[in-house]
Amino acid sequence: GAGVSQSPSNKVTEKGKDVELRCDPISGHTALYWYRQSLGQGLEFLIYFQGNSAPDKSGLPSDRFSAERTGGSVSTLTIQRTQQEDSAVYLCASSSGQGASYGYTFGSGTRLTVV
Amino acid sequence: GQSLEQPSEVTAVEGAIVQINCTYQTSGFYGLSWYQQHDGGAPTFLSYNALDGLEETGRFSSFLSRSDSYGYLLLQELQMKDSASYFCAVSSGGYNKLIFGAGTRLAVHP
Repeated sequence: GAGVSQSPSNKVTEKGKDVELRCDPISGHTALYWYRQSLGQGLEFLIYFQGNSAPDKSGLPSDRFSAERTGGSVSTLTIQRTQQEDSAVYLCASSSGQGASYGYTFGSGTRLTVV
Repeated sequence: GQSLEQPSEVTAVEGAIVQINCTYQTSGFYGLSWYQQHDGGAPTFLSYNALDGLEETGRFSSFLSRSDSYGYLLLQELQMKDSASYFCAVSSGGYNKLIFGAGTRLAVHP
């Protein structure tokens, strides 16, 4: 596609429920990233994919968080047993694999609210 | 670990010049990036500096001094639409991994 697409754009869930967030990167972009942004804060790195593998998942906050990428394209971030502190905007970005020099293209994010 | 420091807020008037500074501490430094984010929007890429010096892109310029672990974003001829948050980010711990600062909120007034 022309840009990075994320769905849903908004998600309200009850504490304890599982949620799945989807990211569809720019076609041909081999690198994919997930970040989390709390209100008025910076971007917190979660996980990085190169193709289907995740060389760096050091930012995942707990074992309730997992992510996968299939076909070198779509990625899903899953949060199990959601907690109120999980409320944030989850941003996905992709790049052409040339590192940061060419810039990341971000999606508009999924705003997750845990009630 | 990595840490970045940038001012939390900057205010300027239309037509003026503003400089947003960023200092960083990291290992395995590859480069310094800048991103702009309007309220409710996605971050967008502005610039990347791997080498010392000034890079100019239209009204925006970015500077890096690797020896001082310091960089800045310079915005000239400010316009109201430049009101946004600006994030510096370092490529560290892996060429493809960006660590972001907390952001500087720029308010441009008439």
